[in-house]
Amino acid sequence: EVQLVQSGAEVKKPGESLRISCKGSGYSFPSYWINWVRQMPGKGLEWMGRIDPSDSSTNYSPSFQGHVTISADKSMSTAYLQWSSLKASDSAMYYCARRLSGAVWYRFDAWGQGTLVTVSS
Amino acid sequence: EIVLTQSPGTLSLSPGERATLSCRASQSVSITYLAWYQQKPGQAPRLLIYGASGRATNIPDRFSGSGSGTDFTLTIGRLEPEDFAVYYCQHYGSSPPMHTFGQGTKLEIK
Repeated sequence: EVQLVQSGAEVKKPGESLRISCKGSGYSFPSYWINWVRQMPGKGLEWMGRIDPSDSSTNYSPSFQGHVTISADKSMSTAYLQWSSLKASDSAMYYCARRLSGAVWYRFDAWGQGTLVTVSS
Repeated sequence: EIVLTQSPGTLSLSPGERATLSCRASQSVSITYLAWYQQKPGQAPRLLIYGASGRATNIPDRFSGSGSGTDFTLTIGRLEPEDFAVYYCQHYGSSPPMHTFGQGTKLEIK
């Protein structure tokens, strides 16, 4: 069974750093790009960026470039999303989702359960 | 950057009725890059339709997608109670390379 399992909810203070994770199982992890999607409370979905675990190449949305870093450890079948200095406005649910590398169809066919990040003083 | 506009913002229907959701792109897009997702409260999104009209695995055939160019439609043929949720369209653009979501349509029980 294909699964993306994300790390648990986090409560942080402004200015703190954070790394959340997304572990894939049941498939060839290097063969699928991992995307990160933000959902602020009561709002829609926003694509943040993606990583190709096979070579760690990344693309970021201009809205998130420079604010977050996406990385992956293919030996651990895990992708990461990290912040060096959190802001209150980073409070949101974050989802990871996979997309088959090199596929004709652009689709996120499996999603993690989400990680809730709360940033508050 | 392509902008996706979904309409209506909220759609109120009864079980058994037919739902038609619209997604309009700010410029012509390839159907290869157009997908639809369903999100229920407290859950992650789920892929429904890819390539504008391909049904994802285990998606009931009452869900169908259509369209081309700038106008795309998600149709739910006969609403079941579990279909009331928020629906998003998604597009991939190559310049810059990024995915974009529409703002969503909330399908609620009338």
